[in-house]
Amino acid sequence: GAGVSQSPSNKVTEKGKDVELRCDPISGHTALYWYRQSLGQGLEFLIYFQGNSAPDKSGLPSDRFSAERTGGSVSTLTIQRTQQEDSAVYLCASSRLGTGRNTEAFFGQGTRLTVV
Amino acid sequence: QKEVEQDPGPLSVPEGAIVSLNCTYSNSAFQYFMWYRQYSRKGPELLMYTYSSGNKEDGRFTAQVDKSSKYISLFIRDSQPSDSATYLCAVTPFSRAQKLVFGQGTRLTINP
Repeated sequence: GAGVSQSPSNKVTEKGKDVELRCDPISGHTALYWYRQSLGQGLEFLIYFQGNSAPDKSGLPSDRFSAERTGGSVSTLTIQRTQQEDSAVYLCASSRLGTGRNTEAFFGQGTRLTVV
Repeated sequence: QKEVEQDPGPLSVPEGAIVSLNCTYSNSAFQYFMWYRQYSRKGPELLMYTYSSGNKEDGRFTAQVDKSSKYISLFIRDSQPSDSATYLCAVTPFSRAQKLVFGQGTRLTINP
């Protein structure tokens, strides 16, 4: 497809279980971002992958959260030992690097995670 | 205190009205200012961006930035029911895509 693809679109998990969320960026986009959107908190930056550089993990809320990006394309966000406060919509975005309009971040539709 | 403050609303106006959405930010290092629109159950999409203080117009939409007061606005003229969505302001000290800091979003409803 032409846009950022995220899967699954919805995920319900039991407290304490691990979950993996997947993001397929737009082809040719070397930058990839994860954000979390929750009620009362708005959209929060989690992690940023830029080409082959070390990722910027400064937004990850705890060591239960981790992310990988394999082959410079698909990314997986993993949440271990999920807690109820992890319930949110997890959004992935991708962009080209550079200046001008091409650096616009395009968002996927998100994965709605519910921890019960 | 949040780095970006935005009134979450909700805001409800009649069709054809002029809508004003506002955000304030605290860090003068922010250099890029954006407005995203998010429909229900969808990801945000970039509506407008600006770099400098002043106004930027695109059709019925005008983005305004006042760096001296750290205040950004989005005006929607001749509002339409299709404009009903959540509007998020976003700022960043980097390029327009990197590490965006978002406001909470304002939920807007345009009533026919």
